[in-house]
Amino acid sequence: AQSVTQLGSHVSVSEGALVLLRCNYSSSVPPYLFWYVQYPNQGLQLLLKYTSAATLVKGINGFEAEFKKSETSFHLTKPSAHMSDAAEYFCAVSLYSSASKIIFGSGTRLSIRP
Amino acid sequence: EAGVTQFPSHSVIEKGQTVTLRCDPISGHDNLYWYRRVMGKEIKFLLHFVKESKQDESGMPNNRFLAERTGGTYSTLKVQPAELEDSGVYFCASSQARGEAFFGQGTRLTVV
Repeated sequence: AQSVTQLGSHVSVSEGALVLLRCNYSSSVPPYLFWYVQYPNQGLQLLLKYTSAATLVKGINGFEAEFKKSETSFHLTKPSAHMSDAAEYFCAVSLYSSASKIIFGSGTRLSIRP
Repeated sequence: EAGVTQFPSHSVIEKGQTVTLRCDPISGHDNLYWYRRVMGKEIKFLLHFVKESKQDESGMPNNRFLAERTGGTYSTLKVQPAELEDSGVYFCASSQARGEAFFGQGTRLTVV
């Protein structure tokens, strides 16, 4: 069975500071991992995905995530937070790269302090 | 190109009533998914259509929920009768074969 754990339901950082959102996964087979973002009053949008091609994955809006098999982690980072990054972020895992059931974490709400 | 569209955006109904949610996928997307987020918890998979056929409905909570996809185009999710615990945000997503899943804005259902 697959599962995802996001550490911290709410993270607050100052504008310009490093953003680090933590995600650990559990999977009996090599997983496909995703980060989705939901901005206020919008749908879920794919930020980035890991499909075994490279362990460091770059996504949109300056975000990136690193797949660490030894730690079963897929943490999301951004060097410098912007006010527009305020949103809810979801880590997710799937058996396939796409077009299949996605298992989501409980989400982390990111707030940016001026 | 239009994205995934869900109707209505909000719905408030009384316990015991019936509600039907609609999802219009992106044109040409054979795969359609329903997900639900209850009470700020994780987003959970409900079911997966490939065209008009149910590929996986393992996430459907009980027989009060009925999903259909007429002609392989839009899909409806009916809750009958609705219970308080059905409140949440219902998301629809669509994708081409082996393609990225695109999500709609969701329908917020409140059962009172």
